[in-house]
Amino acid sequence: AQSVTQPDIHITVSEGASLELRCNYSYGATPYLFWYVQSPGQGLQLLLKYFSGDTLVQGIKGFEAEFKRSQSSFNLRKPSVHWSDAAEYFCAVGGFNDYKLSFGAGTTVTVRA
Amino acid sequence: DAGVTQSPTHLIKTRGQQVTLRCSPKSGHDTVSWYQQALGQGPQFIFQYYEEEERQRGNFPDRFSGHQFPNYSSELNVNALLLGDSALYLCASSLREFFGGRNTEAFFGQGTRLTVV
Repeated sequence: AQSVTQPDIHITVSEGASLELRCNYSYGATPYLFWYVQSPGQGLQLLLKYFSGDTLVQGIKGFEAEFKRSQSSFNLRKPSVHWSDAAEYFCAVGGFNDYKLSFGAGTTVTVRA
Repeated sequence: DAGVTQSPTHLIKTRGQQVTLRCSPKSGHDTVSWYQQALGQGPQFIFQYYEEEERQRGNFPDRFSGHQFPNYSSELNVNALLLGDSALYLCASSLREFFGGRNTEAFFGQGTRLTVV
C-alpha cells in the first residue's frame, strides 16, 4: 500500500529564514513525487514534481526538493521564506499507470515577522 | 484560461439528503479526478473519470458516484449524506497521459465546501 508521512504538523519560521519540510513515502514501485501548496480557502497548487533523473528538482516560488531513494524521502526546501509562503503544504505520491495521488496530512507553515 | 472551476463553492445539506457537485476541467484536459479533504487532513482520492467511465476508485462507499459528460465536465453525487461527509471536495483535471506523459500535471479547482448538519 502506498502512503505519505509528513512528520511535522506545524512549523513556524521567521521571515527571511530557511525552511525545510519533511516527507517520507511508501510505494511499491517507482514513485512519482509531488509537493502542493494550499492557501486558506483555496485549491491546491503544484510547487514541483519528480518523475526521474536529477534528484534535486526546482519548482516555482523559489522552492526545491531532493529525492533520496535510500531514505524514501522527498524533502522540500526554501532558502529564504517570505510572509506569503504561509500556507499548508502537502506531499503526494503516485506512479506510472496509477491514476490517483496519495497525500500526506500536510504541514502548516506560519511565517513570523 | 479559466482553469478548473467547481460549483457551488459552499453548500449546506441535512443528513440523509443527496448532493451533486460539479466540475469543469481546464481547457484541453480530458480526465477528471475527485478528492475529499476533511478538516485538517490531506485530500483522499475518491475516483477518476476518463472517456465518461470510472477508471479508478478509492476506498469510498457506493454512496459516492460520479459521471463525466462528453464535454469532459463531471459531477460527483453523494447519497444519504452523513455528518462525516462534511469536507472540502476537490476536483482535479489532467490529460490522459498524466503519469505516462511526464510533462503534464493535475490542476486542482478551489473546491466545494460541503457541510452536513
